[in-house]
Amino acid sequence: AQKITQTQPGMFVQEKEAVTLDCTYDTSDPSYGLFWYKQPSSGEMIFLIYQGSYDQQNATEGRYSLNFQKARKSANLVISASQLGDSAMYFCAMREVLSGTYKYIFGTGTRLKVLA
Amino acid sequence: NAGVTQTPKFQVLKTGQSMTLQCAQDMNHEYMSWYRQDPGMGLRLIHYSVGAGITDQGEVPNGYNVSRSTTEDFPLRLLSAAPSQTSVYFCASTGGLQGLSGPYGYTFGSGTRLTVV
Repeated sequence: AQKITQTQPGMFVQEKEAVTLDCTYDTSDPSYGLFWYKQPSSGEMIFLIYQGSYDQQNATEGRYSLNFQKARKSANLVISASQLGDSAMYFCAMREVLSGTYKYIFGTGTRLKVLA
Repeated sequence: NAGVTQTPKFQVLKTGQSMTLQCAQDMNHEYMSWYRQDPGMGLRLIHYSVGAGITDQGEVPNGYNVSRSTTEDFPLRLLSAAPSQTSVYFCASTGGLQGLSGPYGYTFGSGTRLTVV
């Protein structure tokens, strides 16, 4: 079973509009962490935002926010006021610690294209 | 500059050859890992390490070996290259042991594009 699921292979958004990228997860670790990363066409991986499983409030970092719905096991990334430079691949990831193993697992990614 | 250094950036191997992808970090990070990135499959964890002398398997460990003799270095060895190992490989590290419980994202290397012919 997939531990991290990103169901949107590709998304388009108009410049200056907001966009939501979906991510669902599955784990039995009560102390998991959720992350989003950006991969521009140049190929580097950039850490964007983090949400801990016990965090009561949704994480925010500038124009990025994480819509954390624990009961639904979803951790959607919201990008406000999209810019052309936001065009990239976005990955959701989960950190879990189970039975002495420590793993960061990634989803398959969503490719976002911002239109001028 | 502080960060994760991967070498080489590009490599072409013949089937059956062996090679080592190098990864070094200078941030005193305990946790290091190797991923492969293939189109449509995201990043898949090959091996990881929680400190010097401690390694463990990830999702796709077959055909790869790792060792961690120092905190700084975490090389990935391909034992007998196969075309299925054609991929982009990323090394990543995260901050100290708190990286296992705190709000610490990965620092990634720039990647190695490997082609096996």
